[in-house]
Amino acid sequence: KQEVTQIPAALSVPEGENLVLNCSFTDSAIYNLQWFRQDPGKGLTSLLLIQSSQREQTSGRLNASLDKSSGRSTLYIAASQPGDSATYLCAFVSGGYQKVTFGTGTKLQVIP
Amino acid sequence: EPEVTQTPSHQVTQMGQEVILRCVPISNHLYFYWYRQILGQKVEFLVSFYNNEISEKSEIFDDQFSVERPDGSNFTLKIRSTKLEDSAMYFCASSEATAEGPQHFGDGTRLSIL
Repeated sequence: KQEVTQIPAALSVPEGENLVLNCSFTDSAIYNLQWFRQDPGKGLTSLLLIQSSQREQTSGRLNASLDKSSGRSTLYIAASQPGDSATYLCAFVSGGYQKVTFGTGTKLQVIP
Repeated sequence: EPEVTQTPSHQVTQMGQEVILRCVPISNHLYFYWYRQILGQKVEFLVSFYNNEISEKSEIFDDQFSVERPDGSNFTLKIRSTKLEDSAMYFCASSEATAEGPQHFGDGTRLSIL
């Protein structure tokens, strides 16, 4: 059974700082990894998708990496802005086809 | 940009009553999903649906739950006899032709069971 853990649970940083969010998983037989952001009372916005055969993906100030051998993924946010404040979730499609397991989330606050 | 829409945004129902949550996935998507998020907890997978049948479901998705694509555009989640513990945010998602593509989520329906 896939277990997904995100550390830290909460993070507060000053505007402009670069930061790294961590996600670890136990089952390396994954199809893909997706990073989302969730704003309060809202749905999930897809940020980046990494296929099992890939090691990283970049979109603007965001870079996500995947290391299946160590069971880890990281989301790097460069030059953080107050608008980046949200909860960030990683999710894996693994095991049973299309079965998705979400992490516990990291709540990020960027202070102006 | 096309988006997944969910209605209603908030549903209040008496315990024991049936409830239907509605979703309109992105029009060219073929894979559909329901998730729930109990307040303060993580997002949990309920069910995936493709080609008019369930392709995967979690242990949460018991006989009280059912899904349907009644008319080619809507995708519904029915809970037959609601319990207090069904109170949660329910999210619908869809993805393109391949299941490995990114999933796009709606804003959710907040279900409150009294």
